Formats: sequence, C-alpha cells, structure tokens
Amino acid sequence: SQQGEEDPQALSIQEGENATMNCSYKTSINNLQWYRQNSGRGLVHLILIRSNEREKHSGRLRVTLDTSKKSSSLLITASRAADTASYFCATDNQDTDKLIFGTGTRLQVFP
Amino acid sequence: GAVVSQHPSRVICKSGTSVKIECRSLDFQATTMFWYRQFPKQSLMLMATSNEGSKATYEQGVEKDKFLINHASLTLSTLTVTSAHPEDSSFYICSVVGTGGRQPQHFGDGTRLSIL
Repeated sequence: SQQGEEDPQALSIQEGENATMNCSYKTSINNLQWYRQNSGRGLVHLILIRSNEREKHSGRLRVTLDTSKKSSSLLITASRAADTASYFCATDNQDTDKLIFGTGTRLQVFP
Repeated sequence: GAVVSQHPSRVICKSGTSVKIECRSLDFQATTMFWYRQFPKQSLMLMATSNEGSKATYEQGVEKDKFLINHASLTLSTLTVTSAHPEDSSFYICSVVGTGGRQPQHFGDGTRLSIL
C-alpha cells in the first residue's frame, strides 16, 4: 500500500496545550498537505508545504517537512475545543494530481 | 463559501437499489474530479479519477461496472453505485482540483450511504 502512516492514531489534550501529529510517506512528492475533517463531514484544507520547503506557518499551525526522512509534522499551538477533529496528511505523486492520504490522527481537545 | 457541492448528504435504501451521487464544482470549471470512499474511523481511499468528456480512471480493485462515473460537464460529476449491497455502505466524498491541476483539492461534504 502507498498509504502514508500517521501517529498517533488518537490524541487527547486539554485546551491550551499544543498538539503534535506526525506523518510518514513512501514516495517522492511535489508537496505535502494537511487536511482537517470534522465528524461526518468533508475535508478542509489547512496548509500545503512544497517539497523544497522545510517549515511553514499559518496562524496557530506549524508544519515541518523532512524529505530525507519522508516525514512531516503538524503542530497546533494553544489548542481549542473547536480543534477537535481528524487530521490527515496527503501527498501528491510527482506524476499525477492524485492525493495519497495518511491514516489520520483523531484529536480530542477537552475544554 | 462552498467551492464544491455534493448531494445528497445521506441516503438510506434497500439492497439492490442504485444510488446516484452528484458532485458540483461551484467556483471554477473542473476537468478533473476525484471520488473517494471512507469507512468509519479510516482514511480516504481514492476510488477513481473523473475526467470531463472521457472515461474515468479507476484505482486497482474498484469495479468500474459497480461504480459508474459520468463527468459530462465541467462542473458536474456523478457517481452511481449500481445494485448496492450492505457492503457498499460507506462515506463517499468527491473533490475538485483547481485550474491547471493545481493543488489543493477542494472537497465536498460527503454522502453517507447506508444500504439495508
């Protein structure tokens, strides 16, 4: 399977704490993206990091990419209860527009 | 506002029924749309790539005669689950890729299909 792996599978934290999710992938990529999915809903794009970038910030989100290790991390700082959702990394193959999704991390933020 | 509209959001029907799901691109013309399937607490698995004006490209293991895709216009792709059975019950999500194939993809809100 080409599917990426994410860890942890599930993460429970208190409001105000930081949440870190990790993603590993298998193939060469153009970019890596992080998406959020609320229960029973579609995916919302959070951030895209290109293969020649090492770190990117967007609001309370910080993403890193290490292409030598084929891994990425998503850090959510000062978490809120509204951040409760599943988070997926996705990579696009250098030859196509297809996205290969990671296994996802279910984040629960308690108020 | 929403970029992609997916309809219906939920379907409950009897075994043997065929179900059509629509995916509309609201903000731009989409030559390519994607259809995914997601089982509970699992990730999205790509089923097929829908190409406007041509046949869809199916991923390995996905039956093209079971999951019919029609992409007749630049703003609409449909997925028809033919003769659905309980094992077809799942969450189906479409996505649209931007102009020129640029990421990110924009996702519909999904369709929860339950076959009794």
